[in-house]
Amino acid sequence: KNQVEQSPQSLIILEGKNCTLQCNYTVSPFSNLRWYKQDTGRGPVSLTIMTFSENTKSNGRYTATLDADTKQSSLHITASQLSDSASYICVVSALQGAQKLVFGQGTRLTINP
Amino acid sequence: NAGVTQTPKFRVLKTGQSMTLLCAQDMNHEYMYWYRQDPGMGLRLIHYSVGEGTTAKGEVPDGYNVSRLKKQNFLLGLESAAPSQTSVYFCASRERNTIYFGEGSWLTVV
Repeated sequence: KNQVEQSPQSLIILEGKNCTLQCNYTVSPFSNLRWYKQDTGRGPVSLTIMTFSENTKSNGRYTATLDADTKQSSLHITASQLSDSASYICVVSALQGAQKLVFGQGTRLTINP
Repeated sequence: NAGVTQTPKFRVLKTGQSMTLLCAQDMNHEYMYWYRQDPGMGLRLIHYSVGEGTTAKGEVPDGYNVSRLKKQNFLLGLESAAPSQTSVYFCASRERNTIYFGEGSWLTVV
């Protein structure tokens, strides 16, 4: 069964600190992996997208890594800011047409001052 | 989230009532989707469309119907609302590998 598991479920860190969020997947055949940020009460917004051949991709203070062999991805946030408080969702796309996106349950990140 | 608009933003329904959620996108995308998001769960696909006049069932289609009469609009209908349909509904459209989500519609069925 295609699944995406994220950890931790929730995380609280102090402003300025770094953190890493994890995503493990069993989706096959793999097409690409996306990380989204979802602010409370808003729709998800894309942070990064990586295909099979990409190991790392950055978007400002966000850096995503992908290990297609172990089917793991991480999202590293550097020098966190209060505005980083949100849910972060890992989404894996399978090579099965337009509809096959498998969503993780998300990690709820809280940045405290 | 520019370009994908959902209406209404909030709605409270009584069990058995019907309603329609409207999703509109101005990016000329072929693919459109309706998802629901429930606490502790990832977004789940209700229905999707690969182009004007086409619709298909997703992961959790029961109790919902959709229509794509115009390319820019994707409608999600609840014919007889049930409390289990209390959720946040997100519409999305896709062009190649980029997916754009709407701001969400909060639906409560009492």
